Amino acid sequence: DAGVIQSPRHEVTEMGQEVTLRCKPISGHNSLFWYRQTMMRGLELLIYFNNNVPIDDSGMPEDRFSAKMPNASFSTLKIQPSEPRDSAVYFCAQDAGGGTEAFFGQGTRLTVV
Amino acid sequence: QKEVEQDPGPLSVPEGAIVSLNCTYSNSAFQYFMWYRQYSRKGPELLMYTYSSGNKEDGRFTAQVDKSSKYISLFIRDSQPSDSATYLCAIRRTGGFKTIFGAGTRLFVKA
Repeated sequence: DAGVIQSPRHEVTEMGQEVTLRCKPISGHNSLFWYRQTMMRGLELLIYFNNNVPIDDSGMPEDRFSAKMPNASFSTLKIQPSEPRDSAVYFCAQDAGGGTEAFFGQGTRLTVV
Repeated sequence: QKEVEQDPGPLSVPEGAIVSLNCTYSNSAFQYFMWYRQYSRKGPELLMYTYSSGNKEDGRFTAQVDKSSKYISLFIRDSQPSDSATYLCAIRRTGGFKTIFGAGTRLFVKA
């Protein structure tokens, strides 16, 4: 198993553009988390899915952010319109069932100019 | 007050040294305690986790939880240059899904 796969690895976009980040989770695990990491704020939970259903999206900073999980093997995080302050590394992660996020993807480094 | 506090460092040690990384947390409701290692431009990887109090050892790594003082530690024995990374502590309530991460401590092990 290749682990949690995120794409793209790097994204540079202009302010106002739509950005879509993708995550292919490991099969057989029910949970999926989207995180954002910045120097100033560290690692922040944006949204949590369980069995493809969004359980908690209280960490989504604004209505410009949306996330979907149409099936167990795919999730997206969309930012529309993007702003420079959205520049960060975005991670997708899964719970291994032991009460911990055991599997993180490699992350997508987003730069909004 | 943040729910978990961690000194961001950086911490620089010579190869072979014993490294001590620490975090404090504010709420006694947290029962899961984790340590993650994150190499530059990579995702965090789970190193160790403990439930409730006590010590847990895995090779050169020992995780320690002192619930009375709300203090969690990670010790690395015989540190190697390959241990150079950022170490994040993390906490979670029993039955909860939300993990709170510390800011991370940057560790440099010099050969």
